[in-house]
Amino acid sequence: DSGVTQTPKHLITATGQRVTLRCSPRSGDLSVYWYQQSLDQGLQFLIQYYNGEERAKGNILERFSAQQFPDLHSELNLSSLELGDSALYFCASSDPREQGDTQYFGPGTRLTVL
Amino acid sequence: AQSVTQLGSHVSVSEGALVLLRCNYSSSVPPYLFWYVQYPNQGLQLLLKYTSAATLVKGINGFEAEFKKSETSFHLTKPSAHMSDAAEYFCAVKGQSQGGSDKLVFGKGTKLTVNP
Repeated sequence: DSGVTQTPKHLITATGQRVTLRCSPRSGDLSVYWYQQSLDQGLQFLIQYYNGEERAKGNILERFSAQQFPDLHSELNLSSLELGDSALYFCASSDPREQGDTQYFGPGTRLTVL
Repeated sequence: AQSVTQLGSHVSVSEGALVLLRCNYSSSVPPYLFWYVQYPNQGLQLLLKYTSAATLVKGINGFEAEFKKSETSFHLTKPSAHMSDAAEYFCAVKGQSQGGSDKLVFGKGTKLTVNP
C-alpha cells in the first residue's frame, strides 16, 4: 500500500459526459501528479501540482482540468468525454525532501467511456 | 528532454532462471532512474531507484539494477525468477535539474512471463 488513495476505482460513463476523479496523496506529500495509461500511448504525464499551485503540464487535453485543494487532495476533471478517453488514470505523490523525489502511485481509476 | 527505451515488450523465462529486463535512457541532465512493477489490475509499485548514491541498486523482491553512465543503461535483473514475478515492468527517468518539471518519463513497459 503506497498510501495514495484514488476514488472511484471504476467509472463507466457515456460520450459527452463529465467526470471527476479524486486523489488523496500520502500524508505530508505536497506534490501530486496525474498520469494516463492507455494501450496505444502507454503512461503519459498529464499535470503536476505542488502545494496548491500548478507546477507543470504535460499532454493534457483542454477538455481536462485539475486542481489541488488546501488539504492537498487533488481532483482531475474530464469533460466532453470521447471514446478515446477510456484509460487508467493514476495519481502519484512525492516529497521533494526524499532523495530522488520518488513518486508513489495510487491504485488508479479505470475510466470506460461508452 | 528525457526518454526511455525498453528493449523487448515481452520477455519469457523459466522459473528459477535469470531475469534481465533492459532499459536505456536519454537525459540532458544527470538522471534519477526508477523501475516500477505493475501487477494485473493494480497500480504501479516502486521496485528500486537510482539517485546517484551508488551505481548498483538493490530493490524489493530480490531485484537489482546497475546504472552504467557510459552505456546510458539501467537494466533490471533478478538471479532466479519466481512465478509471482509475472507482471509488467516499467523503467522511468527524471531529471535532477532544479526548477524544472518533476515528471517521470516512462518506457513502454516489458511484460514478464514466468513459465513453470
